[in-house]
Amino acid sequence: NAGVTQTPKFQVLKTGQSMTLQCAQDMNHEYMSWYRQDPGMGLRLIHYSVGAGITDQGEVPNGYNVSRSTTEDFPLRLLSAAPSQTSVYFCASSKTVNEQFFGPGTRLTVL
Amino acid sequence: KQEVTQIPAALSVPEGENLVLNCSFTDSAIYNLQWFRQDPGKGLTSLLLIQSSQREQTSGRLNASLDKSSGRSTLYIAASQPGDSATYLCAVKVNAGNMLTFGGGTRLMVKP
Repeated sequence: NAGVTQTPKFQVLKTGQSMTLQCAQDMNHEYMSWYRQDPGMGLRLIHYSVGAGITDQGEVPNGYNVSRSTTEDFPLRLLSAAPSQTSVYFCASSKTVNEQFFGPGTRLTVL
Repeated sequence: KQEVTQIPAALSVPEGENLVLNCSFTDSAIYNLQWFRQDPGKGLTSLLLIQSSQREQTSGRLNASLDKSSGRSTLYIAASQPGDSATYLCAVKVNAGNMLTFGGGTRLMVKP
């Protein structure tokens, strides 16, 4: 199993550009989520999904969209990037409420 | 709102020492608590998961305990090694969704 994979590893955007961060898992996990990690703020939940076709907002959802068309994939879309979205983004998955597994992260810089 | 605190924020110990990392949370109504390790510039590696009905979990030199009533968990690392140097994060799951609330982490350095 590859576990949780994320692409790209690094990305630089200009203010106003849009992009999609990709996340995939091959463990047949129902639950998937996106977190951002910022210095002094820790990890905060952006959006999560408890199954295909079901998504919900986390603590800091503004400026981000998600969809879950398959069990395996959970992309995160930045609609119009802002410097405040400069962060490291982590995708995670789990089997129901059990242990969560994290991807390697995407380091995003918005200029 | 659940808040998770980790003390100390940083810790430096000589190799071979046994050490304890602390995690406290404000709301005792949790589903589970998970300890993670994060190396610089890397993702999170799950170390131990304690369900709300459990008191402790062990994996190798690591032992994590949970006292829900007092809102505390400890991660005990026996015979520390330089390879244990990393940031250790605790996180609690508060409901059946997928939300983890994280502490700020303890940055551990084990000196040879």
